[in-house]
Amino acid sequence: AQSVTQPDIHITVSEGASLELRCNYSYGATPYLFWYVQSPGQGLQLLLKYFSGDTLVQGIKGFEAEFKRSQSSFNLRKPSVHWSDAAEYFCAVGTGNQFYFGTGTSLTVIP
Amino acid sequence: NAGVTQTPKFQVLKTGQSMTLQCAQDMNHEYMSWYRQDPGMGLRLIHYSVGAGITDQGEVPNGYNVSRSTTEDFPLRLLSAAPSQTSVYFCASSSDRNTGELFFGEGSRLTVL
Repeated sequence: AQSVTQPDIHITVSEGASLELRCNYSYGATPYLFWYVQSPGQGLQLLLKYFSGDTLVQGIKGFEAEFKRSQSSFNLRKPSVHWSDAAEYFCAVGTGNQFYFGTGTSLTVIP
Repeated sequence: NAGVTQTPKFQVLKTGQSMTLQCAQDMNHEYMSWYRQDPGMGLRLIHYSVGAGITDQGEVPNGYNVSRSTTEDFPLRLLSAAPSQTSVYFCASSSDRNTGELFFGEGSRLTVL
């Protein structure tokens, strides 16, 4: 069965520090992988997506993610976090007709 | 640019009441879906549609009905509301059911007393 695991419920980083949010997936076929961000009281917005090809994908707002098939992972990274990055982040896998989301990681940014 | 529009944004129901959450998109997307978001559970798919006249169940369909009579609209009906249906509901659409970006509405917060 397909599933997405985000092991970190909450992460706190200092502004300007680097960030890595973890995502592991379980899916039998080639996955379509996504990262979304949700600001308080808002819907989700796509940060980036991976379908095939280069395993390092660039997204909006300076985010990137690396697909590692051997580890079934799709971790999200940002070299220098800004206060405006405080939000909830969701990893998702698309399986054809259905998209499965992880439980989310809440990011707090401290000055 | 309206995108995905959900109404109402907030609703309080009593147990046993019925209601419909409305969702409309103006992007001519074939794929539309409903999710519920609960603390610690992420987003869970309720129902989805790959085109007008076609709907199917997601992970948590019980207690909900949908229909898709037009490309633009995908209403979600609660037939007899229960406290367990207290949640935030999101409608999302996409141009491609496999690889496309999901465009989300702003959500509808439902409380069932």
